[in-house]
Amino acid sequence: DTEVTQTPKHLVMGMTNKKSLKCEQHMGHRAMYWYKQKAKKPPELMFVYSYEKLSINESVPSRFSPECPNSSLLNLHLHALQPEDSALYLCASSQDAGGNYGYTFGSGTRLTVV
Amino acid sequence: RKEVEQDPGPFNVPEGATVAFNCTYSNSASQSFFWYRQDCRKEPKLLMSVYSSGNEDGRFTAQLNRASQYISLLIRDSKLSDSATYLCVVNAGSARQLTFGSGTQLTVLP
Repeated sequence: DTEVTQTPKHLVMGMTNKKSLKCEQHMGHRAMYWYKQKAKKPPELMFVYSYEKLSINESVPSRFSPECPNSSLLNLHLHALQPEDSALYLCASSQDAGGNYGYTFGSGTRLTVV
Repeated sequence: RKEVEQDPGPFNVPEGATVAFNCTYSNSASQSFFWYRQDCRKEPKLLMSVYSSGNEDGRFTAQLNRASQYISLLIRDSKLSDSATYLCVVNAGSARQLTFGSGTQLTVLP
């Protein structure tokens, strides 16, 4: 299994809603990532989990809350989002925490906040 | 100065053409280098890693110049299916993660 699976593929939520994005990989990768990508921009790093521990938080607002229940799963809990948070949210994993072998990306969740 | 810089393009080339993209990086401690391809509204996919000695994969050739801190991607005999955004990605070493360039948009025309 060489895939990173993300659900849902599309999500529309109101500013008062609470929702969660899910990511799963079964490649035995030890690092997992959340990225945010706006149209015509490169992916921006949000969070890094290394060996199930949060190692990097790139000053992301608290309305985004990551969770790593185990080495295969990564969640992103969303609460009280703003319309400007609408974007493609990408999960990725890598063999090592430094990304020396590159990242494998999931197909993303396209989020629209209304 | 941005950590990773690319010419955003767009590059519009006819089928069969050869096209080259360059990318510069600012951190001399960078250890790993990659080219990713991203199709419209899809996730980035690893195209190839870039090794110090240069490497080739079919029509694609990647080069690394550590002295000048740039990497390049050459695409020969362009196909319509090569149309995509090409992202230069660099690992800045130490505890840093992969850093993405802004991407170069390529359109191959019939």
